[in-house]
Amino acid sequence: KAGVTQTPRYLIKTRGQQVTLSCSPISGHRSVSWYQQTPGQGLQFLFEYFSETQRNKGNFPGRFSGRQFSNSRSEMNVSTLELGDSALYLCASSQQGGTEAFFGQGTRLTVV
Amino acid sequence: GENVEQHPSTLSVQEGDSAVIKCTYSDSASNYFPWYKQELGKRPQLIIDIRSNVGEKKDQRIAVTLNKTAKHFSLHITETQPEDSAVYFCAASITGANNLFFGTGTRLTVIP
Repeated sequence: KAGVTQTPRYLIKTRGQQVTLSCSPISGHRSVSWYQQTPGQGLQFLFEYFSETQRNKGNFPGRFSGRQFSNSRSEMNVSTLELGDSALYLCASSQQGGTEAFFGQGTRLTVV
Repeated sequence: GENVEQHPSTLSVQEGDSAVIKCTYSDSASNYFPWYKQELGKRPQLIIDIRSNVGEKKDQRIAVTLNKTAKHFSLHITETQPEDSAVYFCAASITGANNLFFGTGTRLTVIP
């Protein structure tokens, strides 16, 4: 069974640009959550999608958005990039009512 | 929203000794408390979890305790081994694995 796959693994962007990250969940998992990981703040919850609908949202500005497709794949978009957006972005998938979130390897975003 | 605090931020123990990591949470509605282990350059992986209707749970050398009244929970690792060296994150959630609020992590180093 394939795990959670995130693409790309690494990205370098310039301030003011926008970026789209992709996450393919484990087959059969309909919930996809996104997290930002930085050395100082640890893992912070961005949002969760289930059945193509945003179900939960963390405390991030509107520049961070996402969507989910009918096959449960999810994308996260960050617009007007800032230096502080440099981080490892992790997605995790889980089953409805499941008790384990399975993480992808992450996309490391560097904003210069 | 939920706020999770984790201590200590770093912990060094001799091989064979025990390690204890403590977390507190703010939202009394939280009912799911997982612990994740993240090795260098790898994705976080669930090592143990506990629900609020249970006070303690063990899995071989790992145990977690929960005090709902005080809103704190702890991870206990006995007979530590060098391969236990990693960053450990506690988390709390109201809704389950799909929406986790993490502590800032504890870097555990087991000295051979």
